[in-house]
Amino acid sequence: EAQVTQNPRYLITVTGKKLTVTCSQNMNHEYMSWYRQDPGLGLRQIYYSMNVEVTDKGDVPEGYKVSRKEKRNFPLILESPSPNQTSLYFCASSFKTGDEQYFGPGTRLTVT
Amino acid sequence: DQQVKQNSPSLSVQEGRISILNCDYTNSMFDYFLWYKKYPAEGPTFLISISSIKDKNEDGRFTVFLNKSAKHLSLHIVPSQPGDSAVYFCAASTGSARQLTFGSGTQLTVLP
Repeated sequence: EAQVTQNPRYLITVTGKKLTVTCSQNMNHEYMSWYRQDPGLGLRQIYYSMNVEVTDKGDVPEGYKVSRKEKRNFPLILESPSPNQTSLYFCASSFKTGDEQYFGPGTRLTVT
Repeated sequence: DQQVKQNSPSLSVQEGRISILNCDYTNSMFDYFLWYKKYPAEGPTFLISISSIKDKNEDGRFTVFLNKSAKHLSLHIVPSQPGDSAVYFCAASTGSARQLTFGSGTQLTVLP
């Protein structure tokens, strides 16, 4: 089944404790992206990747890192999480830049 | 400043009637527009899109209208069904990177 998977789905952590949210797609998509969804703000893009080893900042990249060492995976790294990073996170992918994106099921992160 | 705005946080419609969801944008460089639907505990799923060279695109019960002079697009669902109850996001893109800018979403409730 073609899909985008994210892990974990739910995470509660404390300020400053490094964490990684994994994202994997099995559709051989070139383009991958991370978004966060906050009430009243919709989805805002954190980082995106147009291909392996090519990443770029979205609208809200501060406090996040990403890497794209292989085509299928695009992990989101929070080196020192803070409470303002409490949010619902979505990974997405598309065959190529500009195509409609397929979204993962979301990761709800709470930072206390 | 939000470049894509959905001014109605919620909309209730009777089953069988028309649902009209609205979206306004401020960036005249946007040239591709999309609608996504999101159910609780799931990621957004692509619904329909329209290029700026068109003013209408239809797919079954879903039609998107684009008014470039007013910087306004709308999604019409006819007839509305209870299964259409979801949050609807409009999104716009431009440029070679084709980053998506999302609106804040409208919760549609279709009453049986």
